[in-house]
Amino acid sequence: GAGVSQSPRYKVAKRGQDVALRCDPISGHVSLFWYQQALGQGPEFLTYFQNEAQLDKSGLPSDRFFAERPEGSVSTLKIQRTQQEDSAVYLCASSRFSSSGTLQETQYFGPGTRLLVL
Amino acid sequence: AQTVTQSQPEMSVQEAETVTLSCTYDTSESDYYLFWYKQPPSRQMILVIRQEAYKQQNATENRFSVNFQKAAKSFSLKISDSQLGDAAMYFCAYRETSGSRLTFGEGTQLTVNP
Repeated sequence: GAGVSQSPRYKVAKRGQDVALRCDPISGHVSLFWYQQALGQGPEFLTYFQNEAQLDKSGLPSDRFFAERPEGSVSTLKIQRTQQEDSAVYLCASSRFSSSGTLQETQYFGPGTRLLVL
Repeated sequence: AQTVTQSQPEMSVQEAETVTLSCTYDTSESDYYLFWYKQPPSRQMILVIRQEAYKQQNATENRFSVNFQKAAKSFSLKISDSQLGDAAMYFCAYRETSGSRLTFGEGTQLTVNP
């Protein structure tokens, strides 16, 4: 059906506030990724889920960042005590297969959530 | 760690002309995947073309083709018969065969002039 959706599309937070960003992947997609894209730069990997299991969280910049996918579908990226350097676009992507090396594992991206921390 | 470099922050092309965007990468792996993604102002990242490193034949998708030079670790994108709708930020990306994450370059902003 529909593509990857993310909400909210825009979020303004005061420094120190907690925020939660939601990602709805394409139905049936096993893999889910979060990327952070600073202004004028390419996306950088944050974390990866295969179903409900978080297999790689090496890209999370600090312990203020937390991601979950409890039922293997919708995912939430939570940022606690937001700082100005957290301002960026947060992209979610999903793919049909697990990381088995198949080229068919195209990552489909959502429109992103633009976070501005004042 | 793998790195991807796009040395052209901006490029411009006249409508209907051809333009080539450059990308180089660094890896010690022998098998991997390379991608070009397009990101228009709406920010939705769209896959343009992909290449498997073990394939010597360059990938082609309609007006888009790549020049993959494995020994030189170069992966350029050629856009033929450029259209106004091609204007966007283009990102080159790398993924290990056994990996999951994409590693992106800094991007090239393409302007198409009418």
